[in-house]
Amino acid sequence: GESVGLHLPTLSVQEGDNSIINCAYSNSASDYFIWYKQESGKGPQFIIDIRSNMDKRQGQRVTVLLNKTVKHLSLQIAATQPGDSAVYFCAENMGQAGTALIFGKGTTLSVSS
Amino acid sequence: ETGVTQTPRHLVMGMTNKKSLKCEQHLGHNAMYWYKQSAKKPLELMFVYSLEERVENNSVPSRFSPECPNSSHLFLHLHTLQPEDSALYLCASSQDYAANQPQHFGDGTRLSIL
Repeated sequence: GESVGLHLPTLSVQEGDNSIINCAYSNSASDYFIWYKQESGKGPQFIIDIRSNMDKRQGQRVTVLLNKTVKHLSLQIAATQPGDSAVYFCAENMGQAGTALIFGKGTTLSVSS
Repeated sequence: ETGVTQTPRHLVMGMTNKKSLKCEQHLGHNAMYWYKQSAKKPLELMFVYSLEERVENNSVPSRFSPECPNSSHLFLHLHTLQPEDSALYLCASSQDYAANQPQHFGDGTRLSIL
């Protein structure tokens, strides 16, 4: 089975609401985590990353939270906009040189006006 | 513009054809990757090149043959593909094949095998 997964395959929100997308990982040795956004017809776009020595990191309208105790990662999007509609997926890495990223399946976020 | 360009964007080919996918990165990165993305599945890593040397080959059938002539270019040569090979093929690059670095993706080649 995959090491990284998401709790929900789809999430629908209203414009202006805050969105929370979740990801569970199983490898306690994972040291680095990334969130990607993939819009229709495009490749994955880097949003934000976090290392295991942190539990929170903020970007523009996005916040990533890392809970190493329960091996849980979340992406919070503030004031969700229609342009945020996309597939979001997380990826993990074991923190050693020469190890590949492991990707989860993705959550499709739909934002209605 | 992500700095990673893939061509063609779409490709339809028969099972007996030979074609190549091209990837070019303008980021000065040392590592490049090929991924396969199928519907409802996580990204599957196919090949990794670091400093033009292949460092990972994830049990990919020999009908897929990668080539990395220099650090900016990566090819995926296709020959005698099967219908189940229809998918989106993504190229990515990162500064190094190291931990704690994001990979930057192109927009992919949508491949359809007839």
